[in-house]
Amino acid sequence: GDSVTQTEGPVTVSESESLIINCTYSATSIAYPNLFWYVRYPGEGLQLLLKVITAGQKGSSRGFEATYNKETTSFHLQKASVQESDSAVYYCALAFITGNTGKLIFGLGTTLQVQP
Amino acid sequence: GPKVLQIPSHQIIDMGQMVTLNCDPVSNHLYFYWYKQILGQQMEFLVNFYNGKVMEKSKLFKDQFSVERPDGSYFTLKIQPTALEDSAVYFCASSFLGDTQYFGPGTRLLVL
Repeated sequence: GDSVTQTEGPVTVSESESLIINCTYSATSIAYPNLFWYVRYPGEGLQLLLKVITAGQKGSSRGFEATYNKETTSFHLQKASVQESDSAVYYCALAFITGNTGKLIFGLGTTLQVQP
Repeated sequence: GPKVLQIPSHQIIDMGQMVTLNCDPVSNHLYFYWYKQILGQQMEFLVNFYNGKVMEKSKLFKDQFSVERPDGSYFTLKIQPTALEDSAVYFCASSFLGDTQYFGPGTRLLVL
């Protein structure tokens, strides 16, 4: 079936260090789903961080990047230098948009803790 | 960014009673969704709604569940009757074109 697997947390890094959160997906319903990273900051709702709808393209936002790799079915999230304010839960998701319907399939979420 | 609101933030209810979860979507959005997250598990799709109709629902969307958006007001999820396994956080989302979904903060439902 369709699924998303991401790095099991919590992930703890020090401020200014680099970060990678792995995400791989399995898509049997459709060849090229849309891919997303969502983030939930403490006390807040889920927010869209970035999305990529075309295989081979890279999305970026707030210093984070992710590249849609259809060969490895991956969409890893990276940041060169994290800040304490990046501490949050990060969710990788894929979506199938067909006609007037669309649903997101989420990973379990990865808790990131950035130490000062 | 666009804001989706959910009311209430928490709800405690006795098993067998009815509950209505309310979602105030982004004002010009046309597509509406509910997701369910049980503690420690993934957020899972329940249903999507467009043009006054359910477009797709998952196997989690039991017969006891219903959704509606009367006259462009709140988008609601009603559970009647509730069961213990309905305890979860329910997230509403809305979308303008059906691609990017914007989420509310969730309603935490506890069924006793």
